[in-house]
Amino acid sequence: DQQVKQNSPSLSVQEGRISILNCDYTNSMFDYFLWYKKYPAEGPTFLISISSIKDKNEDGRFTVFLNKSAKHLSLHIVPSQPGDSAVYFCAASGANAGKSTFGDGTTLTVKP
Amino acid sequence: NAGVMQNPRHLVRRRGQEARLRCSPMKGHSHVYWYRQLPEEGLKFMVYLQKENIIDESGMPKERFSAEFPKEGPSILRIQQVVRGDSAAYFCASSGQGSLTEAFFGQGTRLTVV
Repeated sequence: DQQVKQNSPSLSVQEGRISILNCDYTNSMFDYFLWYKKYPAEGPTFLISISSIKDKNEDGRFTVFLNKSAKHLSLHIVPSQPGDSAVYFCAASGANAGKSTFGDGTTLTVKP
Repeated sequence: NAGVMQNPRHLVRRRGQEARLRCSPMKGHSHVYWYRQLPEEGLKFMVYLQKENIIDESGMPKERFSAEFPKEGPSILRIQQVVRGDSAAYFCASSGQGSLTEAFFGQGTRLTVV
C-alpha cells in the first residue's frame, strides 16, 4: 500500500504561468511534509517543507499548502521558469525527516 | 563545504558478485540514510545509521544487504551475490540531527547488474 501518492506522472505548463503539483497521503501520523526537486543523474534537492501544524508555507516562488482533513498537499510554483523543469517528489515523515516516504514523482516541463 | 559524497557514481557488477557503495556525509552530519530508487519509482527508504549504530533498518531486504557507518570513514552499503533486480540508483543522505531536519542527498550510485 503506497502511503504517499502523486497521481500525475507529468505536468506541462507555459513559462510565467502557475505550476501546481499535487500529493495525497494515507498515514495520519505523518508530522512533516517535504518537496524535493530532482534533475536527471543527480540526487534530490530539498525545496520546501511544511509541518503538520501549519496549512501554508511560502518561500519565494514556491508555496506548499497542506489540507490535513483531505490528507492532501500541493506545491505551487509562480511564476514557472524553464529551469524549474525537473522531477518533483513529495515526501512525508514522522519525527525524523531524514527517514521519509516518497511519492513516485511528477515530471514538470516548463515550456519557454 | 562539500556536500554528501557518494562513490562510485556508476558500478557494474556481474550476477553473484559483491557491490560496495560508499557515502561520506556532509561535514558535521552524523546521521546517514540510504535509499533505493528503481526505474520509474520514487525513493524507498532502506536504512538509517548513526556512527557505529544501525538505528532503523526496516527498509532493508532481509538477505544479502548490509550497511555500516564506522567510527572512522564513510558509510558502506554492501550487497552480496547481486542479482539483476538489484539494479537501481542508490542514494545516500545525511542530516545534522534526527528530527524535523531535511536530509541532504548525494548524487547517487547507479548499480547495473549484468
